[in-house]
Amino acid sequence: AQKITQTQPGMFVQEKEAVTLDCTYDTSDPSYGLFWYKQPSSGEMIFLIYQGSYDQQNATEGRYSLNFQKARKSANLVISASQLGDSAMYFCAMREAFYNQGGKLIFGQGTELSVKP
Amino acid sequence: NAGVTQTPKFQVLKTGQSMTLQCAQDMNHEYMSWYRQDPGMGLRLIHYSVGAGITDQGEVPNGYNVSRSTTEDFPLRLLSAAPSQTSVYFCASSYWSGTTQETQYFGPGTRLLVL
Repeated sequence: AQKITQTQPGMFVQEKEAVTLDCTYDTSDPSYGLFWYKQPSSGEMIFLIYQGSYDQQNATEGRYSLNFQKARKSANLVISASQLGDSAMYFCAMREAFYNQGGKLIFGQGTELSVKP
Repeated sequence: NAGVTQTPKFQVLKTGQSMTLQCAQDMNHEYMSWYRQDPGMGLRLIHYSVGAGITDQGEVPNGYNVSRSTTEDFPLRLLSAAPSQTSVYFCASSYWSGTTQETQYFGPGTRLLVL
């Protein structure tokens, strides 16, 4: 069963506008973590933001924020004031049961974001 | 800190050949993992380790072996390369900080082509 779903294969956004990338997840583990990574065309995986399942507030890191809706099992990434350098593939990932599973991640299929000047 | 390093950056193999992809980290992280990324897909876990001497299988372990004799190193061995193993391979390391913030660090990747 797919545990991480990213329903937007590709997105376009105008420079300086905000954009939301969707991510839904499925788990029965009460303790889990959600990650977003950026993969530019050069291929490296860049960590953006993390949300723990017990965190009361939505995570923020600069222009990135995570809209965490636990009951709906969604963890959408919001990028404010898009820049041309934000054009990349974005992956949502989930970690279950950290201590037993060694921090292994389950990834979604990704959303390719293109920022238009 | 060099972070997570991987060698080689690119490799071409013939079907049936064996090779080892190297991964090292200098951050004293307990957890290390290997992933593969096929075109148009997210990363899939091959093997992972929760500490020196302890490894376990991930989602797609067939055709790969790992060992972890030190905290720093986590090599991935392809026993008999097949064209289906053509992919980009990422190594990652992580730790539990004791707070709500966790971070997974990825290496730059190894592009493998099996002919």
